[in-house]
Amino acid sequence: ETGVTQTPRHLVMGMTNKKSLKCEQHLGHNAMYWYKQSAKKPLELMFVYNFKEQTENNSVPSRFSPECPNSSHLFLHLHTLQPEDSALYLCASSRGSQEETQYFGPGTRLLVL
Amino acid sequence: SQQGEEDPQALSIQEGENATMNCSYKTSINNLQWYRQNSGRGLVHLILIRSNEREKHSGRLRVTLDTSKKSSSLLITASRAADTASYFCATEVGTTSGTYKYIFGTGTRLKVLA
Repeated sequence: ETGVTQTPRHLVMGMTNKKSLKCEQHLGHNAMYWYKQSAKKPLELMFVYNFKEQTENNSVPSRFSPECPNSSHLFLHLHTLQPEDSALYLCASSRGSQEETQYFGPGTRLLVL
Repeated sequence: SQQGEEDPQALSIQEGENATMNCSYKTSINNLQWYRQNSGRGLVHLILIRSNEREKHSGRLRVTLDTSKKSSSLLITASRAADTASYFCATEVGTTSGTYKYIFGTGTRLKVLA
């Protein structure tokens, strides 16, 4: 285990649903990340939070809404998603946001119908 | 090509053989990391090499970095069936906001046959 947990591990939702992904890290890290991994595409960085402040939004559609209430928790709120949003969503954390090893959670496998 | 692009996309070898994967990138980097991912799971950090380093070892792993060619290689010696996974390089680049982020490649899928 890497010390980063994600729930749920699997999620099926309709395009009109609202759901949230949760990430928690037990490593005392200050930076947290959301990535999207689709088949045959590079891992895409979505958001970066450093000390609870969002420092990077990689042109992510507004149907994805992140929330970082504290340095240990990160949420990704989902609403009115599209089938092409189906992917593995990975959360990661690191001590800081520069030259640091990132520790990844196991991911949430999302299927949008 | 993308910032981080691994080559080959897939590699199949016999147990005991060495596996070599390459990563090419386009822009200047601060450092480069290699990660491993087992099917459907999160990524696990393997090794970090800084831009002023040329070679680094960790157990059966050997990483080289050639900044003049903007490329890196990962060598796994004496491979085992348990090494079967996807391997990704990640390059650290600066952002317009003054922070840093990692850009991952598409990965090399390694299969080690017992």
